[in-house]
Amino acid sequence: NAGVTQTPKFRVLKTGQSMTLLCAQDMNHEYMYWYRQDPGMGLRLIHYSVGEGTTAKGEVPDGYNVSRLKKQNFLLGLESAAPSQTSVYFCASSYSRLQGTQYFGPGTRLTVL
Amino acid sequence: GENVEQHPSTLSVQEGDSAVIKCTYSDSASNYFPWYKQELGKGPQLIIDIRSNVGEKKDQRIAVTLNKTAKHFSLHITETQPEDSAVYFCAVANSGYALNFGKGTSLLVTP
Repeated sequence: NAGVTQTPKFRVLKTGQSMTLLCAQDMNHEYMYWYRQDPGMGLRLIHYSVGEGTTAKGEVPDGYNVSRLKKQNFLLGLESAAPSQTSVYFCASSYSRLQGTQYFGPGTRLTVL
Repeated sequence: GENVEQHPSTLSVQEGDSAVIKCTYSDSASNYFPWYKQELGKGPQLIIDIRSNVGEKKDQRIAVTLNKTAKHFSLHITETQPEDSAVYFCAVANSGYALNFGKGTSLLVTP
């Protein structure tokens, strides 16, 4: 039982390049989330999903897109990376919103030059 | 949206002492209050949580207290150990899907 895994662990992009971050969970959780973490800012929600085939915007969705084609996977895309998207990205999942507990992955450190 | 304030931003204690971190929130409908611990290079991990129908919850050296009237809740760590050194985040949720996080407290426990 690996929990929540994220790929890749590190990435450096040039401004304007695109990339996709992959999150996978093996706990059969319905809910999945993407956060970004910046120094002094805590964790801010980018997008989330309440089930396979659904996505919704969080607090800071601009510049990102997401897809949830399979229940166990949640993809975060950057179509045209900007230096302001330099951050550590965390994926999380939870069984239900009533349950509350979110389980986090190890993070992806992204640098945009 | 929900506004979560967390204090202090940094905290240094000696091994064996107690540490207290406080959070305040703005939405009176909030009903779930978890605390997460984040070690260097890792993702946050839930350490304790409390729901709005409970005033206090303990788990060994860790306790959380909730004052719904004043809209604040606190994390208490007793008999601190060097391995307690980490960044701690409070969070708040209501009937929605998202957690609103505080900005974190960097706790350092010195031997």
